[in-house]
Amino acid sequence: EAGVTQSPTHLIKTRGQQATLRCSPISGHTSVYWYQQALGLGLQFLLWYDEGEERNRGNFPPRFSGRQFPNYSSELNVNALELEDSALYLCASSLTLPGTDTQYFGPGTRLTVL
Amino acid sequence: DAKTTQPTSMDCAEGRAANLPCNHSTISGNEYVYWYRQIHSQGPQYIIHGLKNNETNEMASLIITEDRKSSTLILPHATLRDTAVYYCIVRVRNYGQNFVFGPGTRLSVLP
Repeated sequence: EAGVTQSPTHLIKTRGQQATLRCSPISGHTSVYWYQQALGLGLQFLLWYDEGEERNRGNFPPRFSGRQFPNYSSELNVNALELEDSALYLCASSLTLPGTDTQYFGPGTRLTVL
Repeated sequence: DAKTTQPTSMDCAEGRAANLPCNHSTISGNEYVYWYRQIHSQGPQYIIHGLKNNETNEMASLIITEDRKSSTLILPHATLRDTAVYYCIVRVRNYGQNFVFGPGTRLSVLP
């Protein structure tokens, strides 16, 4: 069974540009989560999508946004990039059933803002 | 607020058991203990979780004390590939709730 996949592996942008990161969940998983891991810092929760809707977001500004498609894949968009947005962006997926919640993570996208 | 306390780092000899402790003295009755690990610059990997009974899978064993205030993750025969940061997380078991990762324990498996 294929795991969570993310693309691209690496992304280099300049300050002020927009970045788009993509995630495909494990087959059968309908929830997608995004996390940010800046260098030397812990994982910070960004967004949760389920059934095409944004269900929850962490303490990040609105320029971090995304969407979930009918096939449950997801995009994370970061507008007006700032240097401090340089980080590893991780996507995770889970089932959406009562009593199930283990999140399985993808390999991440390394975003570098110059 | 941190719900767990883990040592910053630990060493283990290759082939020996690695025992990683975690304190969670304020754990609630409906909160589970989860363990993930993150090998350098990769996504976190789920290892195991439990409520109050000891759990074992192909990767590790989880021993939870009777009062549930602490637990130990055991890697029975550590290999060099087990070198990673190990995260102990306490949370209720429900989809949609994000995992809160602390600094974890950096385990170095030495040859």
